[in-house]
Amino acid sequence: GAVVSQHPSRVICKSGTSVKIECRSLDFQATTMFWYRQFPKQSLMLMATSNEGSKATYEQGVEKDKFLINHASLTLSTLTVTSAHPEDSSFYICSARGQGKGTGELFFGEGSRLTVL
Amino acid sequence: DQQVKQNSPSLSVQEGRISILNCDYTNSMFDYFLWYKKYPAEGPTFLISISSIKDKNEDGRFTVFLNKSAKHLSLHIVPSQPGDSAVYFCAAAPSGNTPLVFGKGTRLSVIA
Repeated sequence: GAVVSQHPSRVICKSGTSVKIECRSLDFQATTMFWYRQFPKQSLMLMATSNEGSKATYEQGVEKDKFLINHASLTLSTLTVTSAHPEDSSFYICSARGQGKGTGELFFGEGSRLTVL
Repeated sequence: DQQVKQNSPSLSVQEGRISILNCDYTNSMFDYFLWYKKYPAEGPTFLISISSIKDKNEDGRFTVFLNKSAKHLSLHIVPSQPGDSAVYFCAAAPSGNTPLVFGKGTRLSVIA
């Protein structure tokens, strides 16, 4: 079946540095990928919709300049957390809808846990 | 305003018994509903789905029921196993390539 791979799974960085998280669809093409963030004991919150070849669509309250999304190819979307601060520490998850898998079914990456010191 | 609600944050069930997880939604445009299972520090994995044209979908030990008039769906797990202990998210979407809206999740604990 369709697989979405995310890398790195864990990253620890110093405050003020930037971190890039990659999301790849391994056996299908994804024109659209979604980035979610999960706070402790809370639901998955949609951050942005990543569209191949065009600008991402951000949800209200998500800083575009802080969370840079690039969807350069049909199998790769990246999320860059710029000038990270401790409050950016969270679990980030990407997802993509598999082709031919039925309306609505979404495949998730393994998630990336970011810790900003 | 929460469009997808899971009002029970946690549920404990004995091994072998039935687990029933509930989910309510408010948006009548939702056309497709899904359940995801999530273990700590892992991404959610798809469990089972149902489209609005059906009222029941079964896959092994998992059955999802949809009551459109009540805007309510439920996930039944029977028999429950300790490995089913996880957080279960209900999600919904209108048709098309749109993002899912998630509930806050219900933590299921299956006690041996």
